[in-house]
Amino acid sequence: QKEVEQDPGPLSVPEGAIVSLNCTYSNSAFQYFMWYRQYSRKGPELLMYTYSSGNKEDGRFTAQVDKSSKYISLFIRDSQPSDSATYLCAMKAAGNKLTFGGGTRVLVKP
Amino acid sequence: GAVVSQHPSWVICKSGTSVKIECRSLDFQATTMFWYRQFPKQSLMLMATSNEGSKATYEQGVEKDKFLINHASLTLSTLTVTSAHPEDSSFYICSAFLPGTGISSYNSPLHFGNGTRLTVT
Repeated sequence: QKEVEQDPGPLSVPEGAIVSLNCTYSNSAFQYFMWYRQYSRKGPELLMYTYSSGNKEDGRFTAQVDKSSKYISLFIRDSQPSDSATYLCAMKAAGNKLTFGGGTRVLVKP
Repeated sequence: GAVVSQHPSWVICKSGTSVKIECRSLDFQATTMFWYRQFPKQSLMLMATSNEGSKATYEQGVEKDKFLINHASLTLSTLTVTSAHPEDSSFYICSAFLPGTGISSYNSPLHFGNGTRLTVT
């Protein structure tokens, strides 16, 4: 079993819909959680970073962490075709290396 | 804007030759940088941790003599793929911690360069 599980998709939604992404993990030592967006042939771009349970909002993005369930989510409101990309969750324990999920491909159709 | 710059963005080389990829931190000092490799439709795989002024730390299964890492200054790390073969064709991405964006530097989020697509013919 992988330490971080993420549905590969593709997840197809109409423009304007809410995109809901999630990852589950097994390592209870993970404390820091990140979401990255990666366009084809580009490096990952940091979207959200959090280290506590609960919600964190930044513009159209909301990151949610539930440490008791070992579950994190990313919500994208009012999705746009430009949001079409692969979204990677990543997490780490204190002082340790980053562990990535496999990525979810998202397609936002006009 | 970008905080980590990577060059070149793509390179094609012949089998048996060596290729050098540069990774620079922009406007900040990075004592540690990370090199990742990514195959099509797969996630990132950590290859090595580059430490300024000391030897790099390689992940299990990564050949240190094939993937030479030099972190000669606080803003530059290089990855040299020596005697490249077609199976080395991949997307190589470097990253660094941006200071002051986390509880401590090492627990800060990683910022990535835009990657280098290497094709070995």
